Amino acid sequence: AQSVTQLDSQVPVFEEAPVELRCNYSSSVSVYLFWYVQYPNQGLQLLLKYLSGSTLVKGINGFEAEFNKSQTSFHLRKPSVHISDTAEYFCAVSDKYNTGKLIFGQGTTLQVKP
Amino acid sequence: DAGVIQSPRHEVTEMGQEVTLRCKPISGHDYLFWYRQTMMRGLELLIYFNNNVPIDDSGMPEDRFSAKMPNASFSTLKIQPSEPRDSAVYFCASRPWDSLAGPNTGELFFGEGSRLTVL
Repeated sequence: AQSVTQLDSQVPVFEEAPVELRCNYSSSVSVYLFWYVQYPNQGLQLLLKYLSGSTLVKGINGFEAEFNKSQTSFHLRKPSVHISDTAEYFCAVSDKYNTGKLIFGQGTTLQVKP
Repeated sequence: DAGVIQSPRHEVTEMGQEVTLRCKPISGHDYLFWYRQTMMRGLELLIYFNNNVPIDDSGMPEDRFSAKMPNASFSTLKIQPSEPRDSAVYFCASRPWDSLAGPNTGELFFGEGSRLTVL
């Protein structure tokens, strides 16, 4: 079975500052990794995903994430945040082979302050 | 495409009443998922279907919960009888099969959710 741990429940940051949202996963098999964003009163939207290949993945809105197999991490980064990035961010993992499940972490609330 | 459509958007009901949540997935998507979101437990996978067949319902809390997918364009999640602890936002999501990249690689497309309050 897979599990996801997002290490910070809330991350406050000032506008134009860099940010990193941390994610660690646990799995006995190879996995695919995802980051989703949820704006208030909306469903989740895909930011980026890692399937294979380059460990640095670029997504929408200037976000990127790096897959680190040895540390079982998939941290999300943005070099300069905007007020509009204020939202909840979810890391998720799915099994490469057998099941269709997508398991989400608890979420990290990014609060961008002016 | 209109995206994943859920109804109702909001439901307030009394304990003991039956609740039915509805979902219309994106046409052509092979997978359909039901998630529940609460402050305490985050996003929990309740059940998912592949080609209308329930594959894994291990996340369904108890027998009061049931889900069906009678055809490729419609699914329901029913709670009978409802309890205050069922209060949550219930999301439906669908995903296409990516024939090139393989299973489990595709993006989940979420509906806007159904906010359920059980008094």
